Amino acid sequence: ILNVEQSPQSLHVQEGDSTNFTCSFPSSNFYALHWYRWETAKSPEALFVMTLNGDEKKKGRISATLNTKEGYSYLYIKGSQPEDSATYLCAFRNFNKFYFGSGTKLNVKP
Amino acid sequence: GAGVSQSPSNKVTEKGKDVELRCDPISGHTALYWYRQSLGQGLEFLIYFQGNSAPDKSGLPSDRFSAERTGGSVSTLTIQRTQQEDSAVYLCASSLGRTSGGGDTQYFGPGTRLTVL
Repeated sequence: ILNVEQSPQSLHVQEGDSTNFTCSFPSSNFYALHWYRWETAKSPEALFVMTLNGDEKKKGRISATLNTKEGYSYLYIKGSQPEDSATYLCAFRNFNKFYFGSGTKLNVKP
Repeated sequence: GAGVSQSPSNKVTEKGKDVELRCDPISGHTALYWYRQSLGQGLEFLIYFQGNSAPDKSGLPSDRFSAERTGGSVSTLTIQRTQQEDSAVYLCASSLGRTSGGGDTQYFGPGTRLTVL
């Protein structure tokens, strides 16, 4: 079983704050690193699929970086809004299997 | 277009009963995954189907769990003789199934919340 760790487990920020979380994963047999956003009572929604070392992806105020050599990815949210409140999951892809972290639960207070 | 759908959305059953959970993937998606999330845990891989290939069942926790995918589309996850530790949210996801380069996005269904009393 591959170990994928996310930190912090939860985060409370004020509206307008910028924040970031970490996903750590094995540095061997890397296929891809996926980020998902999971709002309560909804399906997980794909944010980014990252496949190359040094990859940087951006979608609006959310961006992510990838370091496959050292086995970590950062997700950044600039100017957090209450609608960003959700659990952010990362998943390490090893061939056909995805290994998920436990997620970072973000709560943005207005 | 239609996304991944799952039914039922909630299922309450008694210990020892069998349950069937259904997943309808996005049309044209050849890959289908089942996961579960137990309380306080991350998503746990259960089984993976790719086209007509033999499924990867390595994540199924016991022989009480089985899954099939008929006609390369709809999938059913069956849990026999349910136990209280089977209580979890069961999620299904589908993708186009391109495995080269790893850049294959999964689309998740809303999940089935299973409660075993």
